[in-house]
Amino acid sequence: EDQVTQSPEALRLQEGESSSLNCSYTVSGLRGLFWYRQDPGKGPEFLFTLYSAGEEKEKERLKATLTKKESFLHITAPKPEESATYLCAGYYNQGGKLIFGQGTELSVKP
Amino acid sequence: NAGVMQNPRHLVRRRGQEARLRCSPMKGHSHVYWYRQLPEEGLKFMVYLQKENIIDESGMPKERFSAEFPKEGPSILRIQQVVRGDSAAYFCASSPSQNSNQPQHFGDGTRLSIL
Repeated sequence: EDQVTQSPEALRLQEGESSSLNCSYTVSGLRGLFWYRQDPGKGPEFLFTLYSAGEEKEKERLKATLTKKESFLHITAPKPEESATYLCAGYYNQGGKLIFGQGTELSVKP
Repeated sequence: NAGVMQNPRHLVRRRGQEARLRCSPMKGHSHVYWYRQLPEEGLKFMVYLQKENIIDESGMPKERFSAEFPKEGPSILRIQQVVRGDSAAYFCASSPSQNSNQPQHFGDGTRLSIL
């Protein structure tokens, strides 16, 4: 069964304190790795798609990278407004469904 | 360009009643996906539909749950004879195609509470 596992479950940072979120995934059959942001009471908001090992994508203070078995979401000098749950999801050879990890709940304190 | 629209945002039902959740995909999107988020759990795939067809329902409970995406109108997720365990947030997503380079865009969900 395809699996996506995220760590840590929760992360508390001070404003400006950079860190990385981890996403481990089942390698076989992966066609794409997605990162989403979810705010309380809202639906997931698309951030990035990564397709092959070594690929990197950036958006403002966020940078997503993909290795052969993991993906990282690095947050540089985060601000309180970036507090949210960050979700990682794998897209496999099984049609359209996404396999989501449990998420990392990020809290950034001023 | 309106995003994925779900309604109602909150729905309260008593045990044994029926719940109908509606989803209008983004303009130009003909692929719809339903996911469920139980308290303290991650998002779980339920069903994938394309206009008038169910493509993958491997995540749907075998009983009481059904989904449709008619030629005209929104996609509907229907839960018959609801039980307490059906309380969850139900999210709909849409995409223009099944290709992995087309991300799924999500609505803000329907929060279903069963009394």
